[in-house]
Amino acid sequence: GQSLEQPSEVTAVEGAIVQINCTYQTSGFYGLSWYQQHDGGAPTFLSYNALDGLEETGRFSSFLSRSDSYGYLLLQELQMKDSASYFCAVPNQGGKLIFGQGTELSVKP
Amino acid sequence: EAGVTQSPTHLIKTRGQQATLRCSPISGHTSVYWYQQALGLGLQFLLWYDEGEERNRGNFPPRFSGRQFPNYSSELNVNALELEDSALYLCASSLTQGATGELFFGEGSRLTVL
Repeated sequence: GQSLEQPSEVTAVEGAIVQINCTYQTSGFYGLSWYQQHDGGAPTFLSYNALDGLEETGRFSSFLSRSDSYGYLLLQELQMKDSASYFCAVPNQGGKLIFGQGTELSVKP
Repeated sequence: EAGVTQSPTHLIKTRGQQATLRCSPISGHTSVYWYQQALGLGLQFLLWYDEGEERNRGNFPPRFSGRQFPNYSSELNVNALELEDSALYLCASSLTQGATGELFFGEGSRLTVL
């Protein structure tokens, strides 16, 4: 089977840096994705790592270590608008994307 | 370019009734995915359609079913509604088959079962 584990909630202050970790167990690995969801709205794609290393997109970066079955999302220069739920996700052999339970990030002033 | 659109945005039903939810993917996308998100929880995979065929389904009972039309739009049907079916139902589409790329989500249909 497949499972993903991520912290249920994280709190940080504006301007800080926060890291959201994700560990996964999969039969076959095709990559790790991250999605952001504000207040039960449409999840939006943030990043996709198929290979080890760090991918940077503006204030957001995503890291993958396939040998450790581990990845993280790094958010820098936190803003109030970054308060949202963040989901890691992995595609499986059957073509479906399996999501973690999500990490609720609260950014405080 | 229009994104993924879903209708209705809200739906209230009573136990035992049937619900039908609709989704229009982004133009050019042939794959459509359905997810269930109960309040405060993660996204649970329901169904994947591509080129009009059901390609995979999640661990949901047969009363959850759907189809994909020739124009790639899709419909999710939930029969014999139960209270625990109350959730946000999200539809997503993708350009690539098999969810290894980016999924584009709609705003969802919130189903309330009384």
